[in-house]
Amino acid sequence: AQSVTQPDIHITVSEGASLELRCNYSYGATPYLFWYVQSPGQGLQLLLKYFSGDTLVQGIKGFEAEFKRSQSSFNLRKPSVHWSDAAEYFCAVSGGSYIPTFGRGTSLIVHP
Amino acid sequence: DGGITQSPKYLFRKEGQNVTLSCEQNLNHDAMYWYRQDPGQGLRLIYYSQIVNDFQKGDIAEGYSVSREKKESFPLTVTSAQKNPTAFYLCASSMTSRHTGELFFGEGSRLTVL
Repeated sequence: AQSVTQPDIHITVSEGASLELRCNYSYGATPYLFWYVQSPGQGLQLLLKYFSGDTLVQGIKGFEAEFKRSQSSFNLRKPSVHWSDAAEYFCAVSGGSYIPTFGRGTSLIVHP
Repeated sequence: DGGITQSPKYLFRKEGQNVTLSCEQNLNHDAMYWYRQDPGQGLRLIYYSQIVNDFQKGDIAEGYSVSREKKESFPLTVTSAQKNPTAFYLCASSMTSRHTGELFFGEGSRLTVL
């Protein structure tokens, strides 16, 4: 079985500060990993994905994530947060069934 | 533009009524999914379909029904048997030929039971 843990329910940062959102997964083999972003009342938009190869992946809106197999982690980072980044962020993992499992989400609050 | 269209965006119903949420995609994707989203609980899978005329239950299928008569359409019916139907519902699709689990989402439908 596969699972995802996002340990932080809420994260508050100041505009211009760096950001790291944590994601830990459980899956026996190399997983497919995703980060999605959701604005209030909207659907989810894919930020980035890891399938194989380079463990540091770049996404849209200046986000990046690093796959660390030894730590079963896929943390999302951004060097400088903008007020428009305030949203809900979901980490997801898929494995043999190709049906993704989502974490409970992390709500990002950005202070001016 | 290709995408997924969900309707209605907001829906109100009285207890004991069935309601149907529409989901249409023009991405030529084989697989379609329905998720339920509640605050603090992430996305929970209700039903999914990987091919026309076939679908499987997800983690929380009780009180819901679906059909997949056309590749483009995957409507979800919330029946009166669903004990707590007030939620945000998301439809998604994927290319099964790529077998990665990457999903494309609609804008969601918010159902409120009065």
